[in-house]
Amino acid sequence: KQEVTQIPAALSVPEGENLVLNCSFTDSAIYNLQWFRQDPGKGLTSLLLIQSSQREQTSGRLNASLDKSSGRSTLYIAASQPGDSATYLCAAMNYGGSQGNLIFGKGTKLSVKP
Amino acid sequence: EPEVTQTPSHQVTQMGQEVILRCVPISNHLYFYWYRQILGQKVEFLVSFYNNEISEKSEIFDDQFSVERPDGSNFTLKIRSTKLEDSAMYFCASGQEGGSVSYNEQFFGPGTRLTVL
Repeated sequence: KQEVTQIPAALSVPEGENLVLNCSFTDSAIYNLQWFRQDPGKGLTSLLLIQSSQREQTSGRLNASLDKSSGRSTLYIAASQPGDSATYLCAAMNYGGSQGNLIFGKGTKLSVKP
Repeated sequence: EPEVTQTPSHQVTQMGQEVILRCVPISNHLYFYWYRQILGQKVEFLVSFYNNEISEKSEIFDDQFSVERPDGSNFTLKIRSTKLEDSAMYFCASGQEGGSVSYNEQFFGPGTRLTVL
């Protein structure tokens, strides 16, 4: 059974710092991995989707990498801003799920201090 | 930009009552999902829906739950007899049209907060 873990659970950084959020998964047989942002009491905003055949994806200041063999993904945020403060979730889509249900980690709560 | 919408944003109900949560997926999407998030816990998959039928469901999705796409645009989740432990944020999601589901990015709605008293 797939388990997704995110470390650390919370992270506080000063504005302008580059940072890395970590995601690990136990079953490497994934179709893809998706990173989301969740603001308090709000829905999930998709940030990046990495297919199993890809090593990384970039969108603006965000870069996500995927290493299936080690069961890890990272989300790199460059030049962090206070507006980046949110909880970041990663979710894996497994083989075997007929229509692609996502298995989520618990998230990393990021706080960027001005 | 197209988005998934959900109504109501907050639903309060008494234990044992039926509730219907509504979602309008992104137009032309073919894959539809319900997830839930109990306060402080992970987002959990409930059910996926494709081609007018359930594709997959989790252990959580028991006989008290049902889904329907009544009119080609709305996608609903019904809980027949709510329990205290059904209190959670319920998210609807939809996946892009065409291609394999494995390439589909899932787009989530803002959620419905269900409170069962």
